[in-house]
Amino acid sequence: DNVLPQSPTTMAASPGEKVTITCHASSSGIYMNWHQQKSGTSPKLWIYDTSKLASGVPDRFSGSGSGTSYSLTINTMETEDAATYYCQQCCSTPLTFGSGTKLEIK
Amino acid sequence: EVQLVESGGGLVQPGRSMKLSCAASGFTFNNYDMAWVCQAPKKGLEWVATISYDGSSTYYRDSVKGRFTISRDNAKSTLYLQMDSLRSEDTATYYCARLEKLDWYFDFWGPGTMVTVSS
Repeated sequence: DNVLPQSPTTMAASPGEKVTITCHASSSGIYMNWHQQKSGTSPKLWIYDTSKLASGVPDRFSGSGSGTSYSLTINTMETEDAATYYCQQCCSTPLTFGSGTKLEIK
Repeated sequence: EVQLVESGGGLVQPGRSMKLSCAASGFTFNNYDMAWVCQAPKKGLEWVATISYDGSSTYYRDSVKGRFTISRDNAKSTLYLQMDSLRSEDTATYYCARLEKLDWYFDFWGPGTMVTVSS
């Protein structure tokens, strides 16, 4: 079962900085979903259907992509955004997650 | 409010069995496919198994096929994972998750239950 490549693996951003995390899908014509996980807690759905924000997600977040390349962007980094983000590919079994990107505050 | 609460984890010896449960509330359980997702210590997320809303279809990752069985009791709004022939590599936190089948995303997650396979 494959793990989707994500980049970067780890990064640190300053408050106010723009952040982009990328994920490479194993096939095209899919939707990409993103989950946020903070240390010691369970994941939360963050972005679904490539670009739709889950309930309660601040609008500084956005999702985009097509083909096999997808991204999660934070327009202006805030302290509370420090977490690990996982992409998750839709539409076929096995359901596949990305390798994860740990985002820290600088 | 959607709630998923796992139970049944703990320490188990290699080769033995363990059964996890996930109690669901706050939504119509028998309208949704459900899944188990695991996370080994300091590792990423891995899908384990999925069951359809009515229990008629099940799917497993290759490494657990023949050893794990996902099931559900819609009358009790409860999801199960029977884990047999456990191996050290099955050590992980196991999350119950609701699956939005139309676009295949996990829209709610439980807090997880830890399973440690060790002698």
